[in-house]
Amino acid sequence: DAKTTQPTSMDCAEGRAANLPCNHSTISGNEYVYWYRQIHSQGPQYIIHGLKNNETNEMASLIITEDRKSSTLILPHATLRDTAVYYCIVDFLAQGGSEKLVFGKGTKLTVNP
Amino acid sequence: DVKVTQSSRYLVKRTGEKVFLECVQDMDHENMFWYRQDPGLGLRLIYFSYDVKMKEKGDIPEGYSVSREKKERFSLILESASTNQTSMYLCASQRHNNYGYTFGSGTRLTVV
Repeated sequence: DAKTTQPTSMDCAEGRAANLPCNHSTISGNEYVYWYRQIHSQGPQYIIHGLKNNETNEMASLIITEDRKSSTLILPHATLRDTAVYYCIVDFLAQGGSEKLVFGKGTKLTVNP
Repeated sequence: DVKVTQSSRYLVKRTGEKVFLECVQDMDHENMFWYRQDPGLGLRLIYFSYDVKMKEKGDIPEGYSVSREKKERFSLILESASTNQTSMYLCASQRHNNYGYTFGSGTRLTVV
C-alpha cells in the first residue's frame, strides 16, 4: 500500500505557483520522499527527492516539514505543459536492501490558461 | 541523458501465447523494475532486479517471470498470456538506491 496521502485533483492558473501537498505521517527516519509526474500516455518522469532538507532543482522545489510528516512540491511558474498526475512516494527498502517505490493514486494537476 | 528503451510501443497477442517484453537501459544502472498501469489501479510493481541474475517479486508477480542476464537488459515474460494481462507495461531503471528512476515510454499490451 502507498504510504502517502494526496488530494485527488488541483487546479492552478498559468504563470502562478502550483503547491502540491502530500502527507506521509508514518515515514521512517531513513526513508526518502520522491516526486514524479506522468503526462498522459507517457511514462512517469522523475522530478525531485529529499530526505530532511528542502531541495530545489531546475524543475521544482521540495519543502519537507521538520517532523517529516508532510511535504509540498512547488512548481514556481506553472505552464500548460505541467498539466499531469503528480505522485508523492515514500521509498521502501525491500529485503536485500534494494529500494522500491510504491505509487499511489497521485494528484491530477490541471493548469488553466 | 539516460535512456530506457522498451522494444514495442503497442503489442497484440493471443490468449495462451508466451510473451516477451524487453527493456534496455544505456547508463549502467544497477536496479531495474517492471510495473503495470491500469485505470483506477495506478502503477503496480510486478518484479524488480538489483543486480544481474537477481530478481525480487513485487506486489503482483503472479503470471509473470523476469530475466536479467545482462546488466542493461531486463525482460518481462508472460508464460501464458491471459486477457486480464491486457495493460500498459512500464520499465524503469535506477542508478542505485536513493536516486530517481528513469522510465521507458511503455508498452501497451492487448491480449485477445
